[in-house]
Amino acid sequence: EAQVTQNPRYLITVTGKKLTVTCSQNMNHEYMSWYRQDPGLGLRQIYYSMNVEVTDKGDVPEGYKVSRKEKRNFPLILESPSPNQTSLYFCASSLTPGGGTGELFFGEGSRLTVL
Amino acid sequence: DQQVKQNSPSLSVQEGRISILNCDYTNSMFDYFLWYKKYPAEGPTFLISISSIKDKNEDGRFTVFLNKSAKHLSLHIVPSQPGDSAVYFCAANTGTASKLTFGTGTRLQVTL
Repeated sequence: EAQVTQNPRYLITVTGKKLTVTCSQNMNHEYMSWYRQDPGLGLRQIYYSMNVEVTDKGDVPEGYKVSRKEKRNFPLILESPSPNQTSLYFCASSLTPGGGTGELFFGEGSRLTVL
Repeated sequence: DQQVKQNSPSLSVQEGRISILNCDYTNSMFDYFLWYKKYPAEGPTFLISISSIKDKNEDGRFTVFLNKSAKHLSLHIVPSQPGDSAVYFCAANTGTASKLTFGTGTRLQVTL
């Protein structure tokens, strides 16, 4: 089954404690991206990757890091989480950059709370 | 600056009636538009799209209309069903862009 898998789905942590949200896709997609969803703000892009070892900032990259060492994996790293990073996070992948004229496939989301 | 706007945070429609969800955009470079549907505790899923060379695209009960001069698109659902109750996001890109730009979403509730 074609899917994007994120872990963990739910996490409560404390300020400053490093955490990683993993993302894996099994569709051999070159493009992967992270979004965060916040009330009244919709989905905003954090980082994206056009291919292995190629990553770039989206609209709200501050406080986040990513890496793309393998095609299927695109982890999101919060080195020192802060309460304003409490949000619902989505990983997505697609055949074409940014979804292009195709569609973005999303994971089920990771709800992160930073106390 | 919100380049894609959905001004109605919520909409309630009776089962069997038409649901009309609206979306406005400001970036004239956008040339491809998509609608995504999101249920609670799930990721958004692709629903329907339209290229800027068209003004209408239909897929079953779902039709998207694009008015480029007004920078406005709408999603029509006819007839609406209870299973259509979800949050709907419109999104746009320039075809070669590195991202989709999403609106803030409209929560549709279809009542019996």
